[in-house]
Formats: sequence, C-alpha cells, structure tokens
Amino acid sequence: NAGVTQTPKFQVLKTGQSMTLQCAQDMNHEYMSWYRQDPGMGLRLIHYSVGAGITDQGEVPNGYNVSRSTTEDFPLRLLSAAPSQTSVYFCASSWGQGLVEKLFFGSGTQLSVL
Amino acid sequence: LAKTTQPISMDSYEGQEVNITCSHNNIATNDYITWYQQFPSQGPRFIIQGYKTKVTNEVASLFIPADRKSSTLSLPRVSLSDTAVYYCLVGNNAGNMLTFGGGTRLMVKP
Repeated sequence: NAGVTQTPKFQVLKTGQSMTLQCAQDMNHEYMSWYRQDPGMGLRLIHYSVGAGITDQGEVPNGYNVSRSTTEDFPLRLLSAAPSQTSVYFCASSWGQGLVEKLFFGSGTQLSVL
Repeated sequence: LAKTTQPISMDSYEGQEVNITCSHNNIATNDYITWYQQFPSQGPRFIIQGYKTKVTNEVASLFIPADRKSSTLSLPRVSLSDTAVYYCLVGNNAGNMLTFGGGTRLMVKP
C-alpha cells in the first residue's frame, strides 16, 4: 500500500496563478482533509470531506476549493494564488472523522507564491 | 475541541527518558488524548492514544491522571532519531476541527 500520496512535492507560483494540489489514498478511507503548516503555527485545517460528494470548510478555507468525486482522491485548488498562501500543505485520511480515528498523512507539498 | 497547552521546546540527551506534559483543563467526558510525532519535511505520524490511566505501545507510554486534565507522553531511552515535534490533541468523534497546535519541539543531543 502506498498510503497517502501527494503531488507535487514542490511548486513555485506567481501571484494570480492557479493550480491544483493532488492527494490520493489507497486505504479506502472515508475521511480526508487538507492542512497548511506555517512556521510556529502548527497545522491548520483548510477543508475536509467525510465521503465522496461531501466537503466542508475547516479553520482557514478562504482562497481554496476542494471536491471529492471519488473515495480515493481529494484535490485542493488554489484559484488565484497569493503570497499569503506560501506554506507547506499536508493531506490526511482516516477511517472516520474525529480525533479518535488515526490520521495518516502524506509527505507534503511545499508551495511558494512569488 | 479542547484547548491544549504544551511546552514549546525541550532538550534531552541520548539514553534519557523524556516526559512531555500536555495540559487540557476543559477536556470533555468523551474526549480522547492523542499524540503525533512530526519529523522535518514529513507529515505527522500517530504515536499513541488513550482515554484514562496508562497506555503503552512499542514506542511510548501515555500517562493520564484520574482527573484527565493533563497527560504525559513518555519516551524511554531517547535517541538522536527522536528529535522531532510532538503534538498533543484532545477530542472525540464529534469533532470536525482537528487543528494541531504548535507542538513541542524535542531536541535530543549526543
């Protein structure tokens, strides 16, 4: 099993460009989520999904869109990148939602917006 | 989601036991306590989870007193490879907002 796979690992964008961060899991997990990690601020939840066709906002959703057309994939879209979105992005999945379920994380995408 | 407080950083030496305490005064009856470990350039990794008393697995122990207002992650005989950030989370299956706090940065020295 590959677990949670994120692509790309690194990305540089210019302000105003759009892009999609890919996340795929092969564990048949219902719950998937996106986090951003900034220095000294831990990980903040951007969006999450409790199953195919269902998404919801986390703590810092502005500037990001998500969709969940399949159980396996949960892409994160930046429609118009801003320097404030420079961060490391992590995707995670688990059997169910909530803290009791163990979260499995991908290796992250380091994004720089110039 | 219960608020947690952890030390920002800790230093230790190889072979020592390290105890990282997390304070969670407003923990709810159905909340669990979970610890994650994060190495540089990697996503966090689950270490251990508990509800009360003591839980032990192959890498760590988790001590939770009767009032559950705090918990202590214990790492026996640490090595250089245990240098990482450790996050304490408190919550239950009803919680949607799984935001990780700043964590505790553990530095293990030779």
